[in-house]
Amino acid sequence: DAGVIQSPRHEVTEMGQEVTLRCKPISGHNSLFWYRQTMMRGLELLIYFNNNVPIDDSGMPEDRFSAKMPNASFSTLKIQPSEPRDSAVYFCASSLRPDTQYFGPGTRLTVL
Amino acid sequence: GIQVEQSPPDLILQEGANSTLRCNFSDSVNNLQWFHQNPWGQLINLFYIPSGTKQNGRLSATTVATERYSLLYISSSQTTDSGVYFCAVGRAGRRALTFGSGTRLQVQP
Repeated sequence: DAGVIQSPRHEVTEMGQEVTLRCKPISGHNSLFWYRQTMMRGLELLIYFNNNVPIDDSGMPEDRFSAKMPNASFSTLKIQPSEPRDSAVYFCASSLRPDTQYFGPGTRLTVL
Repeated sequence: GIQVEQSPPDLILQEGANSTLRCNFSDSVNNLQWFHQNPWGQLINLFYIPSGTKQNGRLSATTVATERYSLLYISSSQTTDSGVYFCAVGRAGRRALTFGSGTRLQVQP
C-alpha cells in the first residue's frame, strides 16, 4: 500500500491567496484527520471525518479554513484568504480502527 | 479538553543508554498512542496502549490508566531513535486524538 498521500509537499504563497491541500487516505480506511503542526502550538487536530462525514471541526481556527471529503479516497483542506500565521506543516492521517492512525508526509505551507 | 503533559521536553543520550519518557493526562481516556516523529518529519505509530504493558523490540510502554500516566522505555538507544516522541490520547467514542508537546530525543554516537 502506498500509505497516505499528500500534495503538494511544499507550498509557498503570498498573503491573501487561496491555498488547497490535498489528501488521499489509505484504501479502505473510514476515518480521515487533518492536523496542523507549529512550534508554538504543537500538533493540533483541525477536523476529522468518519465515512466521509465531518464529525468534529472544533479545531478549525476560523472561517477562512474549510475541509471537504467528497468521496472515500480524497479530501481537501482549503484556506482562503491565507495569512502568514497559517504557516505550518499540515498532516493528513487515516485509520480503520481507533487503535492506529497512519500519517501522511505532511505539506509544509509558508505564507509570505 | 484533556491536557497532556510530557517530560522531559528534551533528552540527550549516548548510544547504548536507556531512557524513560513520561506522559501525564488530565482525564480518563480509552485511547492512548505513542508516536515517533523522525528528523524528516514523518510520524509513525509505535504503540496503542490505553492500559497495561506492551513491548516491541527495544521499545516498551506501560500505561496506568487509574493514575493517568504512561511511560515509554527505550533500551540500548541507537542514533536512529533520535526525533520527537509524542503521546496522544482520546476519549471514549471519539477517534480524535489530543497530542502532548513531545519529548525531543537526541542520541549521540
